[in-house]
Amino acid sequence: NAGVTQTPKFRILKIGQSMTLQCTQDMNHNYMYWYRQDPGMGLKLIYYSVGAGITDKGEVPNGYNVSRSTTEDFPLRLELAAPSQTSVYFCASSYSSPQGRGEQYFGPGTRLTVT
Amino acid sequence: GNSVTQMEGPVTLSEEAFLTINCTYTATGYPSLFWYVQYPGEGLQLLLKATKADDKGSNKGFEATYRKETTSFHLEKGSVQVSDSAVYFCALSTAAGNKLTFGGGTRVLVKP
Repeated sequence: NAGVTQTPKFRILKIGQSMTLQCTQDMNHNYMYWYRQDPGMGLKLIYYSVGAGITDKGEVPNGYNVSRSTTEDFPLRLELAAPSQTSVYFCASSYSSPQGRGEQYFGPGTRLTVT
Repeated sequence: GNSVTQMEGPVTLSEEAFLTINCTYTATGYPSLFWYVQYPGEGLQLLLKATKADDKGSNKGFEATYRKETTSFHLEKGSVQVSDSAVYFCALSTAAGNKLTFGGGTRVLVKP
C-alpha cells in the first residue's frame, strides 16, 4: 500500500516555463488536496477535489490549475512559472462521508525552485 | 473564517524535558482538531486528533485535549527524546470539503 505518491521530488524551472506535478493515491479516497509550504510557514491550500470531475479553489489558487479525471490522480499544473511559486508542494487525500470525516494523508512533497 | 494560532519556535529542549506547544483556534461551526508532525525532509504525518469537546487525543506519548471553552488544543509530552525533533502543526477542519486550516508550525529541537 503506497499511500500518496508525488513526482517529481525536486524540480528547477525557469521563469515562464510550465510543468505538471503528479499526485496519485491508492486508498480510494474521494477527497484530494494540493498545498504549498513556503519556508518557515504553515501550509496553504491551493485547490481541492471532492471527487472525480469536481474541483474547487482553495486559499491561494492563482497561477495554478488542476483536474481530477479519476479517483486516484490529481495533477497540479503551473502554466507560467514565477519566482513566487518557489515552494514545497504537498498533495493529500482523505475520505469523507455523511458518517464522518477522515484524516488527511500526505505525500512526501515536491520541492520546486523557479529562477 | 477559520484560523489557527500556535506558538512560534524554535523551541529548544534537553532530552527528558517536558514539552508544551500552545494552539488556539477560531472556527465557524464545530471543528475537528489535529496535530501533525513533519520530520526533516518528509511530508506531514498525523500525530493525534480530537473530534469533540473534552476529547483527548494521544499518540507516541503526546497528548492534547479539545477545550471548547478556551478554543485551545495544546500539545504536551512529558519526556521528549532527540527523535521528537521536528516541526509540529496544529490544524482544524470543518465540514465544508474537509479542508484543513494550519497554524504556522513550531520547530522543536531536542538536544541530548
